[in-house]
Amino acid sequence: KQEVTQIPAALSVPEGENLVLNCSFTDSAIYNLQWFRQDPGKGLTSLLLIQSSQREQTSGRLNASLDKSSGRSTLYIAASQPGDSATYLCAVCGGANNLFFGTGTRLTVIP
Amino acid sequence: NAGVMQNPRHLVRRRGQEARLRCSPVKGHSHVYWYRQLPEEGLKFMVYLQKENIIDESGMPKERFSAEFPKEGPSILRIQQVVRGDSAAYFCASSPPLGPNEQFFGPGTRLTVL
Repeated sequence: KQEVTQIPAALSVPEGENLVLNCSFTDSAIYNLQWFRQDPGKGLTSLLLIQSSQREQTSGRLNASLDKSSGRSTLYIAASQPGDSATYLCAVCGGANNLFFGTGTRLTVIP
Repeated sequence: NAGVMQNPRHLVRRRGQEARLRCSPVKGHSHVYWYRQLPEEGLKFMVYLQKENIIDESGMPKERFSAEFPKEGPSILRIQQVVRGDSAAYFCASSPPLGPNEQFFGPGTRLTVL
């Protein structure tokens, strides 16, 4: 059964700093991996989708990488801003089309 | 171009009552998924549906829970005889045909069982 782990569970950084969030998964047979953002009491916003054949995806200040063979993904956030404060979730899609989620990294960017 | 819509956003039920949660997918999306987020826990897959078919319900509790996605109308997640442990946020997601594809999530329904 697929298990997804995110480290660290919480992270606090000063504004302007670059940061990396980590995600690892146990079963490398995945179709894709998605990074989401969740604000308190809100739904999920999709940030980036990486297909299993891809190594990375970029959107603005966000860059996500995927190393399927080692079961790892990272989300890099450049020049962090207070508005980036949220919980970041990593989810992998297995053969059954459903997503397996990590428990998230709670990011706080201090002005 | 509306995203995934869920209603109600908040639902309060007493123990033993029924809860009905609705989800309208993105226009043109034929795949619907339901996930549950228990307090202080991660999201867990419950069920995957296509129009008029349940494709995978491996994450759904065997009793009291059911889901449907009729030919017309929204997808419904139904919880009968709710208990306090059913209190959670229930999220619906949709994706276009020919998956697996990016899933787009609704704002969720927060169920509170008194």
